[in-house]
Amino acid sequence: DAKTTQPNSMESNEEEPVHLPCNHSTISGTDYIHWYRQLPSQGPEYVIHGLTSNVNNRMASLAIAEDRKSSTLILHRATLRDAAVYYCILRKSTSGSARQLTFGSGTQLTVLP
Amino acid sequence: GAVVSQHPSRVICKSGTSVKIECRSLDFQATTMFWYRQFPKQSLMLMATSNEGSKATYEQGVEKDKFLINHASLTLSTLTVTSAHPEDSSFYICSASLLAGGYTDTQYFGPGTRLTVL
Repeated sequence: DAKTTQPNSMESNEEEPVHLPCNHSTISGTDYIHWYRQLPSQGPEYVIHGLTSNVNNRMASLAIAEDRKSSTLILHRATLRDAAVYYCILRKSTSGSARQLTFGSGTQLTVLP
Repeated sequence: GAVVSQHPSRVICKSGTSVKIECRSLDFQATTMFWYRQFPKQSLMLMATSNEGSKATYEQGVEKDKFLINHASLTLSTLTVTSAHPEDSSFYICSASLLAGGYTDTQYFGPGTRLTVL
């Protein structure tokens, strides 16, 4: 799977939007962009994924650059419970078989009250 | 939906003993489950891929005789750490994959098991 680059850490104020960037300049046409987050002492949690178009769900929005070489996870109103490590992972589309996730170092998000 | 549980959540054992960790997919069937290990302040590292009814596939550097994996049913995989030593102390996390439409897979993770070997 292609490599992603994320800032080591970011801070946000509570109830403000947060934009978490991810660079993936070597992305291929069949790579999906997945985001997971890991709260302290818990297993990772799926957040969102997309291919080309921007995506929205109840947790977050995913904005994908037109050239797909970068993406941004958007938390519209950060809460203290959003403090976690956020991982941006590229996955090739699969058909009929599951593959492991390769985790990078992610971005540690700190939310300030 | 798509809930994965692990048991126990925390275990402390003496050096030389064996510890079994269970991973269950509660509301879906998972032909493939994954086992990860995470040391403090580090990211998750894949240990092995567990396929129902067949032998697990281990990542390079992971001793298959030390970390025994059994995936006897579509909802249960177990990881047994045999003859545990203090360096095996870690956070062990399993995941199960839910295929959606055959084009992409979302993985759902268990809450993790904190193993401490004294």
